[in-house]
Amino acid sequence: SQTIHQWPATLVQPVGSPLSLECTVEGTSNPNLYWYRQAAGRGLQLLFYSIGIDQISSEVPQNLSASRPQDRQFILSSKKLLLSDSGFYLCAWSMYSSYEQYFGPGTRLTVT
Amino acid sequence: AQSVTQLGSHVSVSEGALVLLRCNYSSSVPPYLFWYVQYPNQGLQLLLKYTSAATLVKGINGFEAEFKKSETSFHLTKPSAHMSDAAEYFCAVSDTSGTYKYIFGTGTRLKVLA
Repeated sequence: SQTIHQWPATLVQPVGSPLSLECTVEGTSNPNLYWYRQAAGRGLQLLFYSIGIDQISSEVPQNLSASRPQDRQFILSSKKLLLSDSGFYLCAWSMYSSYEQYFGPGTRLTVT
Repeated sequence: AQSVTQLGSHVSVSEGALVLLRCNYSSSVPPYLFWYVQYPNQGLQLLLKYTSAATLVKGINGFEAEFKKSETSFHLTKPSAHMSDAAEYFCAVSDTSGTYKYIFGTGTRLKVLA
């Protein structure tokens, strides 16, 4: 069966510091991968998606970036965090050519 | 462009009462539709999905939803609310541009009263 992991589970970082969040999927190959953010009291915002290892699309211009160093690994990064980057970050995957997404447990990021 | 509207950001029901969470969509082509549940500080869990098969879809935890094309709706129901149903619920519609993205609704927080 497939599983999705995210780490760290929680993170407190000062403004201006770098960020690296990791997402890994097990038990499948060539998945579609997604990064979402939930700000407090708000809905889900799609940040990046990747339909293939060499394809990453950005949905919202911001100081975040995403990379896919391996088929089943998706990294969310920032060089300098802003206060507004605080939120709950969710990674999700779907099978190639499928819409059904499965979500990871999330990372709670607090920027101070 | 597709869109999803969830009416009611907060819904309260008594334990044992009917749960009805509303979702309306707009799409130029028949969409795929999904309902997810999110408990505090957790990821989203798929409750059920409509993928153009049966219009009445049964999901986990006793939930079901009916796809009504004429009303462009996909409302989520459960006959009898349980305290454990208290959570946030999200409706999503598939993007039809071939990118396998979702368009999410803004969510409905369900509160179950004892």
